[in-house]
Amino acid sequence: EADIYQTPRYLVIGTGKKITLECSQTMGHDKMYWYQQDPGMELHLIHYSYGVNSTEKGDLSSESTVSRIRTEHFPLTLESARPSHTSQYLCASSEGGAVETQYFGPGTRLLVL
Amino acid sequence: AQSVSQHNHHVILSEAASLELGCNYSYGGTVNLFWYVQYPGQHLQLLLKYFSGDPLVKGIKGFEAEFIKSKFSFNLRKPSVQWSDTAEYFCAVNPINFNKFYFGSGTKLNVKP
Repeated sequence: EADIYQTPRYLVIGTGKKITLECSQTMGHDKMYWYQQDPGMELHLIHYSYGVNSTEKGDLSSESTVSRIRTEHFPLTLESARPSHTSQYLCASSEGGAVETQYFGPGTRLLVL
Repeated sequence: AQSVSQHNHHVILSEAASLELGCNYSYGGTVNLFWYVQYPGQHLQLLLKYFSGDPLVKGIKGFEAEFIKSKFSFNLRKPSVQWSDTAEYFCAVNPINFNKFYFGSGTKLNVKP
């Protein structure tokens, strides 16, 4: 079983609040990813990282930001939450190589009121 | 933009029925292909993957998938489903040399006992 963790699992918060979604992996993977998923929809890549101090925006525009100060940690921050941010956020990591396999965390379900 | 299409959004089968879930992608170059499964309340986990060689790939729990390059397809099959196969199934494409994965919108499989 993959060792990738996300906290919190569920979060209900008011508009305008700053929130940070945590993601940690203990596998030593260089690559990490954040996806946004709405019910019945594809997973959309919003951020990714190739390693420490490397972050890139994904295909889906997002008002969130990420940081990668340590290999194992890839937090996502929303400075001012809005109802449009309500979604499920999935974190993943991969070891790289010729054929990458992504390992997923359990997800954070965010509801912004 | 790359896209992955899963045409069946919701499939209901009785136990012992055969299963085939469709997946088509739009990328014209070389790709790695994946099927992920998410059982109720669990993480997304890898079911099987294709990267080269035999286009018929076998995965866990009796699943297999066939890559047909000319059709840009990677359909998932299982000869005889079980109630425990009830889950959501996601097809994913990783274009070679791209550090991105593109996911379909998922197919919910409900197997009646």
